[in-house]
Amino acid sequence: AQSVAQPEDQVNVAEGNPLTVKCTYSVSGNPYLFWYVQYPNRGLQFLLKYITGDNLVKGSYGFEAEFNKSQTSFHLKKPSALVSDSALYFCAVRDMGPNGNKLVFGAGTILRVKS
Amino acid sequence: KAGVTQTPRYLIKTRGQQVTLSCSPISGHRSVSWYQQTPGQGLQFLFEYFSETQRNKGNFPGRFSGRQFSNSRSEMNVSTLELGDSALYLCASSLAGTPSGNTIYFGEGSWLTVV
Repeated sequence: AQSVAQPEDQVNVAEGNPLTVKCTYSVSGNPYLFWYVQYPNRGLQFLLKYITGDNLVKGSYGFEAEFNKSQTSFHLKKPSALVSDSALYFCAVRDMGPNGNKLVFGAGTILRVKS
Repeated sequence: KAGVTQTPRYLIKTRGQQVTLSCSPISGHRSVSWYQQTPGQGLQFLFEYFSETQRNKGNFPGRFSGRQFSNSRSEMNVSTLELGDSALYLCASSLAGTPSGNTIYFGEGSWLTVV
């Protein structure tokens, strides 16, 4: 079965500093990987995805993620954090079964950016 | 264009009652899936519908059911509500039902509280 792990419950970073939110995956076959962000009392907003091609994926709001096949990782990054980036971040992998597909999510990482 | 729309946003039900949640996918999207989010279990897949057919189902009891209409709108129903059903229910839609790299977009969710 496909799975993802987010090893950090919370990441704290100062505004203006680079941020990294970690994600590792376990899949059979080629992974389809996603990052979503959730603000308080809101749904999930899509940030970016890796399907194939360039290992560095650029997404919304200045976020990017690096796919590393040898380390089975898909870490989310941003060069300069903003206080408004504070939210709950989810990594997900698409589990493509014979009868359809679904997303399998990590437990989530709370990002706190302090001014 | 409009995103995934879910109604109602908030509702309170009593144990033993049933509830129906509604979801309108992004225009042109034919795949609709449902997820449950709780603090303890995180984000869990409920089911996926494509062309009015349930194609995939998560590990939830039969009290949880859903359907999709010819216009791709979907409803999910929970019967005989239990306190543990209190959660954020998220609807998501994507272009294609077959496994693909298409992005899955989420709605704002329906907050269900069972008392």
